[in-house]
Amino acid sequence: NAGVTQTPKFQVLKTGQSMTLQCAQDMNHNSMYWYRQDPGMGLRLIYYSASEGTTDKGEVPNGYNVSRLNKREFSLRLESAAPSQTSVYFCASSPDGIGGVYNEQFFGPGTRLTVL
Amino acid sequence: AQSVSQHNHHVILSEAASLELGCNYSYGGTVNLFWYVQYPGQHLQLLLKYFSGDPLVKGIKGFEAEFIKSKFSFNLRKPSVQWSDTAEYFCAVTRRNTGFQKLVFGTGTRLLVSP
Repeated sequence: NAGVTQTPKFQVLKTGQSMTLQCAQDMNHNSMYWYRQDPGMGLRLIYYSASEGTTDKGEVPNGYNVSRLNKREFSLRLESAAPSQTSVYFCASSPDGIGGVYNEQFFGPGTRLTVL
Repeated sequence: AQSVSQHNHHVILSEAASLELGCNYSYGGTVNLFWYVQYPGQHLQLLLKYFSGDPLVKGIKGFEAEFIKSKFSFNLRKPSVQWSDTAEYFCAVTRRNTGFQKLVFGTGTRLLVSP
């Protein structure tokens, strides 16, 4: 049981390049999340998917797109990377979805992204 | 909007000192409360959680937290810290209603324990 896995672990991009961050969970969880972590700002929600087939914007969605490919996988895409998107990105999942009560989340190891 | 405040951004302690990290939230309804820990270079791990029942919650590694509803607080405590407790600690809150509720994180407290 690997939990939540993310690829890649590290990435360096030039301004304007695009890339997709991959996330997968093997816990049969319903909801999945993408966060970014910046010094002094905690974790900020980018996008989330409450259930397979649905996605919604979080607190800081600009410059990102997501795809909930199936129940296991939730990818985050940067179409045209900017230096302001330099951050550590965490994927998380929760057994709860719509109508859930607890929303305990389980986190992946993170992707450290640098945009030059 | 729901918010979570962690007033101590940086805390420095010597080994064996006692720890208390503050967490306050703004939502007045029923909530679920969490403390996550992030060791250097690692991902977030759940330290403890409160859903209902006894407001004094015990977690892993000797940590505990007390939910005080009247103060909207969920402070984290440990009687005697170790060097290995050096990490960043995040409080998180979600409302406990029908419908989908997101987890809201505080900005974190960075703890440094000197040997």
